[in-house]
Amino acid sequence: AQSVAQPEDQVNVAEGNPLTVKCTYSVSGNPYLFWYVQYPNRGLQFLLKYITGDNLVKGSYGFEAEFNKSQTSFHLKKPSALVSDSALYFCAVRGKRDTGRRALTFGSGTRLQVQP
Amino acid sequence: NAGVTQTPKFQVLKTGQSMTLQCAQDMNHEYMSWYRQDPGMGLRLIHYSVGAGITDQGEVPNGYNVSRSTTEDFPLRLLSAAPSQTSVYFCASSYSSASGYADTQYFGPGTRLTVL
Repeated sequence: AQSVAQPEDQVNVAEGNPLTVKCTYSVSGNPYLFWYVQYPNRGLQFLLKYITGDNLVKGSYGFEAEFNKSQTSFHLKKPSALVSDSALYFCAVRGKRDTGRRALTFGSGTRLQVQP
Repeated sequence: NAGVTQTPKFQVLKTGQSMTLQCAQDMNHEYMSWYRQDPGMGLRLIHYSVGAGITDQGEVPNGYNVSRSTTEDFPLRLLSAAPSQTSVYFCASSYSSASGYADTQYFGPGTRLTVL
């Protein structure tokens, strides 16, 4: 079975500082990894995904994520945080050996709070 | 291009009542799915469909029915609402590539359901 862990319920960072939101995964075979962001009372918005190739993936709104196969991690990063980045962030995985559901397995989410 | 739309946005039911949550997409996506979001648990797959006339169960299907008569619509039916079904429900859709594993799912704005 595939699983995702987001070890931090909340991350606090000052505006202008770099931010990291952590994600580790467990899946059979090669992983397909996704990051989504959820603003209050909104649906999930796609940020970026890792399929294959470069371990550093660039996405929307200046976010990027680093895939590390040996550590089974896919941490989300941004060089300089904005107050408007404050939201709930979800990491998700889909394994290539999925039975056909094509379902994403989500982590429990990390709330990012950027202080002015 | 409206993307994925869901109605209603909010709903309050009494135990035992039935209702249908509507989901529609205008992107000609073959794959559609329903998730529920509960605090601290991320999103969990309820049912999914890989095309018109084809549906299957996800991780937490009990108490829910789906049908897919058209490509655009994928309604979720609660047969006899229970307090345990109090949750936020998200519909998602994606293209259905040959492998399907790298496809990005796009989410609707959600329906917040309370069962008393």
